[in-house]
Formats: sequence, C-alpha cells, structure tokens
Amino acid sequence: QVQLVQSGAEVKKPGASVKVSCKASGYTFTSYGINWVRQAPGQGLEWMGWISAYTGNTDYAQKFQGRVTMTTATSTSTVYMELGSLGSDDTAVYYCARDDCTNHICYPGVWGQGTTVIVSS
Amino acid sequence: QSVLTQPPSASGTPGQRVTISCSGSSSNIGSNFVYWYQQLPGTAPKLLIYRNNQRPSGVPDRFSGSKSGTSASLAISGLRSEDEADYYCAAWDDRLSGWVFGGGTKLTVL
Repeated sequence: QVQLVQSGAEVKKPGASVKVSCKASGYTFTSYGINWVRQAPGQGLEWMGWISAYTGNTDYAQKFQGRVTMTTATSTSTVYMELGSLGSDDTAVYYCARDDCTNHICYPGVWGQGTTVIVSS
Repeated sequence: QSVLTQPPSASGTPGQRVTISCSGSSSNIGSNFVYWYQQLPGTAPKLLIYRNNQRPSGVPDRFSGSKSGTSASLAISGLRSEDEADYYCAAWDDRLSGWVFGGGTKLTVL
C-alpha cells in the first residue's frame, strides 16, 4: 500500500532553517510528484509547492519562492522540503502528499502523517 | 483569507443529510476540478472526492460531490458520528498557478 512517512517534530529558532523528509513506499517512486502543504494551528491548508520525483523539477507557490527548496533522493525514495528564514508564523504542521493522477490530471492524493515545526525563541 | 470560501461550521443529527458549500472564481472552480478532503481530529487530510464527484475506493457512497459554475458542494447522507471532522475543498488556480483550499468546515454530529 502507498505510504508516506515523515520525519519527526522540530523546534527551531527564528531565522533558522528546517528540513523535513518524506519517505515513500508501496509504489514506483519516480512515477509520481509530491506536494507539500502546511497547516498553521487552528487554521486551514496552504499549498507550498510540488516536486517531480522523476525529473526533480519544482513548482513553488509564489509566497514561498526564494525561501523554500524541495529535493529528492531517488536511492532512498525520499523527498525533502527545506524552509529558511523561519518566523513565528511558520509554526505549523507540514504535510507531504503524493500526486494521484486520472487522465493526466494530478492532484494531492495520499498524505503523510505530518511533521510539526515550532518556531520559537 | 482562503481563496475558496466555505462556511466555518455545519451540523446535523445522525441519519440526516448535510451539505457543505465551497465558492470560488473563474480561475479555480470555474475552470478546474474540485476536490474534497476529510480531516479527522489530530490526523492528516484524506481524499474524499476527486474530479468534482468521484469517490476513491473505500469512501462510502454516503459522500457525494457536485459542481456548478464557480461553486461546489459536498453532501453527506445518513450522517454518522464518525463523520465529525473538518472538511476542505480544493482546486487548482490558473491565475495563481497553484492549489488553493477553502478555510475548512467543521462538521458536528449532534
């Protein structure tokens, strides 16, 4: 079965960076892209960007451009999301979500369990 | 502020039918498919409806989706206590070139 397992919770100081991992299993890693979505406490969902696990091409939400980097490690079927210049408003649960595709239209399908990132001095 | 607009809350009694609305614009719902996600307390979102009205395998047929113009709705019939969750609509936005979500609707089963 398709499974995405994310790295554990992080506590970071303002101005620091955080790198969250998302390890995929149960499917051919390079066949699907991965989205990153975050959820601030008590808030809704916010799409951060997408990476192709086949080419490594990325598509970042304008809000995060220049501050986010998404990468893949094909040998370990792992996707990484690094967010820099952290502020308190980056405190959130960060989710990876694999594309599901129907007739060449893809959308966030299977989600990881989430990684809590707390930014605090 | 979320790009898609949902009511913050909805409620119903067991066995009832409830609907949750999602309003967008021509750049998102008006020109692309709508998706619905269910988020049970303390868990990750789960895909509930894709391509406006399709259910992934394993999702009960009590859940149905529809779309008209720049609005969409999720209907839940035969409401059950385990349906108590937050529900989010989503769509690709051509103007923003990204996925946009509604603010979420908290469903309470009375």
